[in-house]
Amino acid sequence: QSVLTQSPSPSGTPGQRVTISCSGSSSNIGSNDVYWYQQLPGTAPKLLIYRNNQRPSGVPDRFSGSKSGTSASLAISGLRSEDEADYYCATWDDSLSGPVFGGGTKLTVL
Amino acid sequence: QLQLQESGPGLVKPSETLSLTCTVSGGSITSSDYYWGWIRQPPGKGLEWIGSIYYSGSTDYNPSLKSRVTISVDTPKNQFSLRLRSVTAADTARYYCARLLVGAAEFAFWGQGTLVTVSS
Repeated sequence: QSVLTQSPSPSGTPGQRVTISCSGSSSNIGSNDVYWYQQLPGTAPKLLIYRNNQRPSGVPDRFSGSKSGTSASLAISGLRSEDEADYYCATWDDSLSGPVFGGGTKLTVL
Repeated sequence: QLQLQESGPGLVKPSETLSLTCTVSGGSITSSDYYWGWIRQPPGKGLEWIGSIYYSGSTDYNPSLKSRVTISVDTPKNQFSLRLRSVTAADTARYYCARLLVGAAEFAFWGQGTLVTVSS
């Protein structure tokens, strides 16, 4: 059972927009920045969004993040086949004194 | 470009100790802004933070594993290590090392991961 709860696995066709949500509590998302990771099959996770809505260099602007209260969202617009991956949200948990991850959401591109 | 590489046995017997080392290249492990962490991922499952260490030796551990985990650092070698005692089949996972921003869940650099299977 993950500390952060992610929405069920979505699917979409190329060009569509999908959203993945991540729900937490006041001790984690409510008081700390949210990060998103993309894990392509057979590879290590890759930082996709940092500090709620910032993209590292090289991440397309099709990916965007937001946070409100104790929830956060990752939106992917202009869906492409290479976006098919597992996506994880993460944040610091003040009670745990460490980082926590969501359970992961598998995105399928039809 | 910072690179991390895990190394260690891929097979560990039940009740024994899992030992892995992460070698950091392209940057110093003594950077004041970062911790160095271990994360694992059982086959087909999600990510779990195991623990982190600062170059000074200060550590943080996931409470669920704290009683069995020790993370250490070797600054001259630019390495940090994981020891997980009394392993069971539930500890079978891909183990990743990564650089962690202090006080945040920002893992900007990851190793490729190493699969450790617990089996007799």
